[in-house]
Amino acid sequence: AQSVAQPEDQVNVAEGNPLTVKCTYSVSGNPYLFWYVQYPNRGLQFLLKYITGDNLVKGSYGFEAEFNKSQTSFHLKKPSALVSDSALYFCAVRDIPYNQGGKLIFGQGTELSVKP
Amino acid sequence: DSGVTQTPKHLITATGQRVTLRCSPRSGDLSVYWYQQSLDQGLQFLIQYYNGEERAKGNILERFSAQQFPDLHSELNLSSLELGDSALYFCASSPSEGAGEQFFGPGTRLTVL
Repeated sequence: AQSVAQPEDQVNVAEGNPLTVKCTYSVSGNPYLFWYVQYPNRGLQFLLKYITGDNLVKGSYGFEAEFNKSQTSFHLKKPSALVSDSALYFCAVRDIPYNQGGKLIFGQGTELSVKP
Repeated sequence: DSGVTQTPKHLITATGQRVTLRCSPRSGDLSVYWYQQSLDQGLQFLIQYYNGEERAKGNILERFSAQQFPDLHSELNLSSLELGDSALYFCASSPSEGAGEQFFGPGTRLTVL
């Protein structure tokens, strides 16, 4: 069965510093990986995805993620954090097989706090 | 704004009652997914519809049911409500069943008293 794990409940960084939010996955077959962000009292916003191709994926709001097949990881990164990046971040994997339902399986979420 | 709408935003009801949550997908999206977010369970998939047909089921309780109508909007029906059903319920949509992203609505916060 597909699964994702986010090993850190909370990540604290100073504004202007680089940030990393970690995610590891377990899938049978090719992984379809996603990052979403949730602001307080809001729905989930799509940030980026890895389906195939380059291991470095660029997404919204300056975020990027690095797919590493050997380490089964898909860490979210940003070179310079903003206070407004403070939110709850979810890593997700799309269930397979293809075309038989495409539910997302989410990690438990990582609370990112960026301090001025 | 994702283009997915959900009503109502908030719902407060009593145990034993029945409620209906409504979702309108993005224009042109054929797939609708329902998820439940709670503090103890996290984000859990409930059920998926594609062009009116049920396609996948998660850990959805028998007291819960859903359907997708010809105009592609979807409703999630929750009955015999219990305190533990209090949660945020999200609807998401995608154009197809492929590997692309899903677009989430703002959610309905259900409180069962």
